[in-house]
Amino acid sequence: KQEVTQIPAALSVPEGENLVLNCSFTDSAIYNLQWFRQDPGKGLTSLLLIQSSQREQTSGRLNASLDKSSGRSTLYIAASQPGDSATYLCAVRSDYKLSFGAGTTVTVRA
Amino acid sequence: SQTIHQWPATLVQPVGSPLSLECTVEGTSNPNLYWYRQAAGRGLQLLFYSVGIGQISSEVPQNLSASRPQDRQFILSSKKLLLSDSGFYLCAWSPTGTLINEQFFGPGTRLTVL
Repeated sequence: KQEVTQIPAALSVPEGENLVLNCSFTDSAIYNLQWFRQDPGKGLTSLLLIQSSQREQTSGRLNASLDKSSGRSTLYIAASQPGDSATYLCAVRSDYKLSFGAGTTVTVRA
Repeated sequence: SQTIHQWPATLVQPVGSPLSLECTVEGTSNPNLYWYRQAAGRGLQLLFYSVGIGQISSEVPQNLSASRPQDRQFILSSKKLLLSDSGFYLCAWSPTGTLINEQFFGPGTRLTVL
């Protein structure tokens, strides 16, 4: 059974600082990994999808890396803004379904 | 572009009452459809998925059921709600074909069972 862990559970940083969010998974036989953002009481917004053959994926200020062999992914958010405050979820696809981590709740202080 | 809708947005129901949550997708054909539940303090749990009309696979045995009466419509139901059914229900879709494609989520329904 795939287990996904996200550390830290919560993070508070001043505006402008870079964010580093970690995700680890137990079974390295994955198809892809997806990072999501969730605002309070809202659905999930897909941020980045990394295929198992890729090492990283970038979108604007966001960069996600994947080390499949060690079971790790890292989401970097450059020059954080108060609007980046949200919960960030990592999800790993080993077969037909996604296995989710519990998320990292980020607060960016103005 | 594709859009996914869920309704209602919030729902408060007494224990033992029936449930019907609806999800529809626009702008695509024959999507794969999913129902997830996010309980307080817990991660997202896959409940059901469907690769086509009338084709439903269940992940977790419970008093919930799902149906797909039309290509882009996915319904989550229960005949008698339990307190433990409270949570945030999310519908998702992915492009047709393989189930390993990127998934896109709807806005969710907050269900409170009293």
